[in-house]
Amino acid sequence: AQSVTQPDIHITVSEGASLELRCNYSYGATPYLFWYVQSPGQGLQLLLKYFSGDTLVQGIKGFEAEFKRSQSSFNLRKPSVHWSDAAEYFCAVGVNTDKLIFGTGTRLQVFP
Amino acid sequence: GAVVSQHPSWVICKSGTSVKIECRSLDFQATTMFWYRQFPKQSLMLMATSNEGSKATYEQGVEKDKFLINHASLTLSTLTVTSAHPEDSSFYICSVEVGQAYNEQFFGPGTRLTVL
Repeated sequence: AQSVTQPDIHITVSEGASLELRCNYSYGATPYLFWYVQSPGQGLQLLLKYFSGDTLVQGIKGFEAEFKRSQSSFNLRKPSVHWSDAAEYFCAVGVNTDKLIFGTGTRLQVFP
Repeated sequence: GAVVSQHPSWVICKSGTSVKIECRSLDFQATTMFWYRQFPKQSLMLMATSNEGSKATYEQGVEKDKFLINHASLTLSTLTVTSAHPEDSSFYICSVEVGQAYNEQFFGPGTRLTVL
């Protein structure tokens, strides 16, 4: 069965520090992978997506993610975190050409 | 992308009443929309796929008679929670499918439903 695992429920980093949020998926076919961010009171915003091609994907707000097929992973990274990055981050995999399956999310807290 | 709105943003109702939530695609003609439910500190769970002009497709375990979905136009889908009970209290989020081949979706801001 298809699934997405985000092992870290809560991560705390200092402003300016680097960030990596982990995501592992289980899907038999070529995955379409997404990272979304959800801020309080706001909808999910697409940070980046991977469909094919270059396995290092650049997104908005300075985020990037790398698809590693051998590890079934799609980890999200940012070299220097800003206080405004504090939010909930969701990894998702597209299945059956229409549905998205979401991970349980990682809450990011940023200290000044 | 697509700009998606939801109305209301929050609603409180009494147990036994019905509540309608609207999802509008403001700048994109959406053949397919999705309805999700999100419990506090949990992930989004797909409830149903809403197809314009046809019946919605519900996920396993979702009561179709309780969660009525109507997608009468390319810009509007509605979710009606019928005979709401406290356990229906949740955050309901809709999305618009913009890339059929690649599962790409844009999301509304969500509706917080509290049933007393």
